Amino acid sequence: DAGITQSPRHKVTETGTPVTLRCHQTENHRYMYWYRQDPGHGLRLIHYSYGVKDTDKGEVSDGYSVSRSKTEDFLLTLESATSSQTSVYFCAIRLTGTNYEQYFGPGTRLTVT
Amino acid sequence: KQEVTQIPAALSVPEGENLVLNCSFTDSAIYNLQWFRQDPGKGLTSLLLIQSSQREQTSGRLNASLDKSSGRSTLYIAASQPGDSATYLCAVWRAGGTSYGKLTFGQGTILTVHP
Repeated sequence: DAGITQSPRHKVTETGTPVTLRCHQTENHRYMYWYRQDPGHGLRLIHYSYGVKDTDKGEVSDGYSVSRSKTEDFLLTLESATSSQTSVYFCAIRLTGTNYEQYFGPGTRLTVT
Repeated sequence: KQEVTQIPAALSVPEGENLVLNCSFTDSAIYNLQWFRQDPGKGLTSLLLIQSSQREQTSGRLNASLDKSSGRSTLYIAASQPGDSATYLCAVWRAGGTSYGKLTFGQGTILTVHP
């Protein structure tokens, strides 16, 4: 599982509240990613990081921000949660060297009411 | 824009059958293609990764092939078992520029293997 944990695993929140999801990895991987998975849309990239303090947007970044102040943690923040952000959120890491496989965390199920 | 399509969307087979899952992508300029398995309510498990220079990869009863020029990959599962029941996803990493390994996913094939 490449040592990836996500917290919380489940969360219910109200519209308009800020929410932060945490991805933690223990193997010093440089590249980290946040995806969301929705029925009918599959998995879509929200933001990614290619190093400490180095982040960039993915295809569905509106309404989300990220931070990476240390290698092991990649935080995803919903500044003001909306019902359209109800989803399952997955964090992933990418190996480097000659094998570029991506490994995924267990996911966070977020419900915005 | 890269688009990834998986056919069929769902497949139900009896135990013991050999089966093929298909994945097609619109932009052949890919760096690699990765197959995943997802069990209900769980995360994604990496099954196989094929680099763009490779034609196939094998792991146990799984064999994945890649034809980059035609934009196709297949995942072959031999002697299917009920434990193979899951959603199978393929994803491609576009080549070039600062892609940083951003994957584009297909919608998946839901496989059910019944005893």
